Amino acid sequence: GAGVSQSPSNKVTEKGKDVELRCDPISGHTALYWYRQRLGQGLEFLIYFQGNSAPDKSGLPSDRFSAERTGESVSTLTIQRTQQEDSAVYLCASSPVGGEGTDTQYFGPGTRLTVL
Amino acid sequence: GQSLEQPSEVTAVEGAIVQINCTYQTSGFYGLSWYQQHDGGAPTFLSYNALDGLEETGRFSSFLSRSDSYGYLLLQELQMKDSASYFCAVRGYGQNFVFGPGTRLSVLP
Repeated sequence: GAGVSQSPSNKVTEKGKDVELRCDPISGHTALYWYRQRLGQGLEFLIYFQGNSAPDKSGLPSDRFSAERTGESVSTLTIQRTQQEDSAVYLCASSPVGGEGTDTQYFGPGTRLTVL
Repeated sequence: GQSLEQPSEVTAVEGAIVQINCTYQTSGFYGLSWYQQHDGGAPTFLSYNALDGLEETGRFSSFLSRSDSYGYLLLQELQMKDSASYFCAVRGYGQNFVFGPGTRLSVLP
């Protein structure tokens, strides 16, 4: 079946503009994660969705960052008033929580965001 | 809080065995995972240890000692395609994951 997809694959924007990144998880996966990865660095947790529970937003770096998810489907990560420090690859992952391999996260290809 | 430490770089030759260590400090712990990431690619899952001991999956094995807050990834019969970054990750309470800084493995011919 299809894996996790993300769009756009690349986004170049000007400082101060808003951007919206999209993630389509694997069908049936109840858990969805967003991460940020700066060049040559590790993955920085941003936010976690699990079914209809309240999301874990503890990793969002500022109030310019927000994310939504409708049920167990698509999620969008919005960055308002982008700054150059927001330039990174934004990765989305989904996981079949409660089933076999519950700690396996399946990652999308990422969105490379460049803020000029 | 949670933090993980890994060596930044490891170099080995084809056919060799290499061990990548990971130590962690967490406020809660459910398990230690390992992910592989090739340059420009997405991370892919390698293994998961919830209990002490060794888990083997083909050429890759992963070990966990909860009492020592320590684990490692063992790669045997190294191949050029194993050149990548390797991340350990800890699942704490809830489903919040924390990833280590990554170890860049270079396999030489």
